[in-house]
Amino acid sequence: GENVEQHPSTLSVQEGDSAVIKCTYSDSASNYFPWYKQELGKGPQLIIDIRSNVGEKKDQRIAVTLNKTAKHFSLHITETQPEDSAVYFCAASGSNTGKLIFGQGTTLQVKP
Amino acid sequence: DAGVIQSPRHEVTEMGQEVTLRCKPISGHNSLFWYRQTMMRGLELLIYFNNNVPIDDSGMPEDRFSAKMPNASFSTLKIQPSEPRDSAVYFCASSLGGDRPSYEQYFGPGTRLTVT
Repeated sequence: GENVEQHPSTLSVQEGDSAVIKCTYSDSASNYFPWYKQELGKGPQLIIDIRSNVGEKKDQRIAVTLNKTAKHFSLHITETQPEDSAVYFCAASGSNTGKLIFGQGTTLQVKP
Repeated sequence: DAGVIQSPRHEVTEMGQEVTLRCKPISGHNSLFWYRQTMMRGLELLIYFNNNVPIDDSGMPEDRFSAKMPNASFSTLKIQPSEPRDSAVYFCASSLGGDRPSYEQYFGPGTRLTVT
């Protein structure tokens, strides 16, 4: 079955700097890769996603890149702000059932 | 839309008691997912339904766990009897699903379960 590895587990950056979180997946049939942000005491919130027919997608300060050959995808946050501090999860889905396999999470701390 | 609704938000119970967690998916969504989140194991998919039918329950830890979806707007996750190792945050999520796979899942606020 699918396995998703996420790195780093923790990331600390200064406000205004960029943050990059990377994930690798094992199932070459995976074709959907979402990213979720989870704030303390809340459920994961979908912030951006990418499908296998696209190499990059941007939404304001966040972007996701996908390398299907290498089976990895990354989340890029530019001009980080303290409110970006949260746990970020990547996930992959390869079946036609919509089932997601999640990475282990990255705790991002943005220092003001 | 109100989003995915879960109740209760917090549950504290004693070992051996029955626990029932409830979920109302987003209106119009046909797929519903139950997850468990712990520090040790992260986010684990327990079971998911499509059009009220259980599709994959391979993540259900053992027979003490059961889930039902009697209609398109309501699902329950039951633990009987509960054990301290069941302590976790349980999330419900929904997506459009139906006849065509839809991958965007939207999560509820979760139920924090503590079994003493």
